Amino acid sequence: KAGVTQTPRYLIKTRGQQVTLSCSPISGHRSVSWYQQTPGQGLQFLFEYFSETQRNKGNFPGRFSGRQFSNSRSEMNVSTLELGDSALYLCASSLSQMYQETQYFGPGTRLLVL
Amino acid sequence: GQNIDQPTEMTATEGAIVQINCTYQTSGFNGLFWYQQHAGEAPTFLSYNVLDGLEEKGRFSSFLSRSKGYSYLLLKELQMKDSASYLCAVLNDYKLSFGAGTTVTVRA
Repeated sequence: KAGVTQTPRYLIKTRGQQVTLSCSPISGHRSVSWYQQTPGQGLQFLFEYFSETQRNKGNFPGRFSGRQFSNSRSEMNVSTLELGDSALYLCASSLSQMYQETQYFGPGTRLLVL
Repeated sequence: GQNIDQPTEMTATEGAIVQINCTYQTSGFNGLFWYQQHAGEAPTFLSYNVLDGLEEKGRFSSFLSRSKGYSYLLLKELQMKDSASYLCAVLNDYKLSFGAGTTVTVRA
């Protein structure tokens, strides 16, 4: 079974631009979560989607948004990029995220904002 | 809010045992996960505890005490490839909150 895939793997943008990252979950997984990882803040939860509905979100500004499609693929968008948005963005999928479900991570998208 | 604490760094010798402690204070609890993350790579799942007690999986074991808000990950027969960051994470309301991670260095 193929794992979680994320595209693109690397991205360079400039301040003020916007970016869209894509995540394809493991086949059969319906829950997708997004995380931001930086050396200073560690892994921080952005949001979680299940059946195209956002069920929880972290403490990030409204510039960070996401969505999930009917095939469970998910995208996250960051508008008006800031230097501090430079990070590794990780996507994780699980069957349904009903408490016991383990989340499996993709390789991440490394975003550099100049 | 969520508060998850684990030591920043630990060093051990190849073949030895290391125990990584994690204490948590969270507004809710649906389970505790341990992940391993090698530098430049994504986290990989190691273990999951939702009930009190010890879960053993090969060289890795994880323990949970919900009343104490405490967990540990035990790594036995350490190998050089075990050098990595180990992340403790608490699941609550569809959200995983992570500790800052413990960097384990295994020396020959």
